[in-house]
Amino acid sequence: QKEVEQNSGPLSVPEGAIASLNCTYSDRGSQSFFWYRQYSGKSPELIMFIYSNGDKEDGRFTAQLNKASQYVSLLIRDSQPSDSATYLCAVNPDAGGTSYGKLTFGQGTILTVHP
Amino acid sequence: SQTIHQWPATLVQPVGSPLSLECTVEGTSNPNLYWYRQAAGRGLQLLFYSVGIGQISSEVPQNLSASRPQDRQFILSSKKLLLSDSGFYLCAWSGDRNQPQHFGDGTRLSIL
Repeated sequence: QKEVEQNSGPLSVPEGAIASLNCTYSDRGSQSFFWYRQYSGKSPELIMFIYSNGDKEDGRFTAQLNKASQYVSLLIRDSQPSDSATYLCAVNPDAGGTSYGKLTFGQGTILTVHP
Repeated sequence: SQTIHQWPATLVQPVGSPLSLECTVEGTSNPNLYWYRQAAGRGLQLLFYSVGIGQISSEVPQNLSASRPQDRQFILSSKKLLLSDSGFYLCAWSGDRNQPQHFGDGTRLSIL
């Protein structure tokens, strides 16, 4: 069973702080990793993707990938109340190209940024 | 640019009634297409995916079915809805197997 685990939270941080969201995955052959943001009652929105070990930065967001330890994280700098949402980690195992882009999603971490 | 359309946005149906949800993608060709269901407070469950016209793979046994009559059209159906079919149904597309999936706005289905 291929699994993606996230701390369900809620994670509460003050405005302006760094929010750190973590995700671990079980399939060592996983190739691509995605972070989605989902506001209450809305559909998931892609915010970051990462394929290689290391850090990838986009504005206030940084994705970090460590394939040896099988974890991927998302850092949100200068957190704003508008960042309050559920953050979903998704992993594409793509073993030998047979996954057809199917993603395995974690259960999501609820983030609350309070003023 | 690519866009994905899903309708209706909300739907209330009686138990035992049929269902048809439609999803279309614009601005790309031969996309991979996916149907998910999200129960209240739960994660995303992949129901079906398709890599081409007429090609449907089912992930979980259930009373739902999917069809892909055209390259950029994906339909989710049921002949008789159950109470357990309630949820938030999401359609998504991707360009190829390593690309991100992009979601439509979803259909919130309530079964009475």
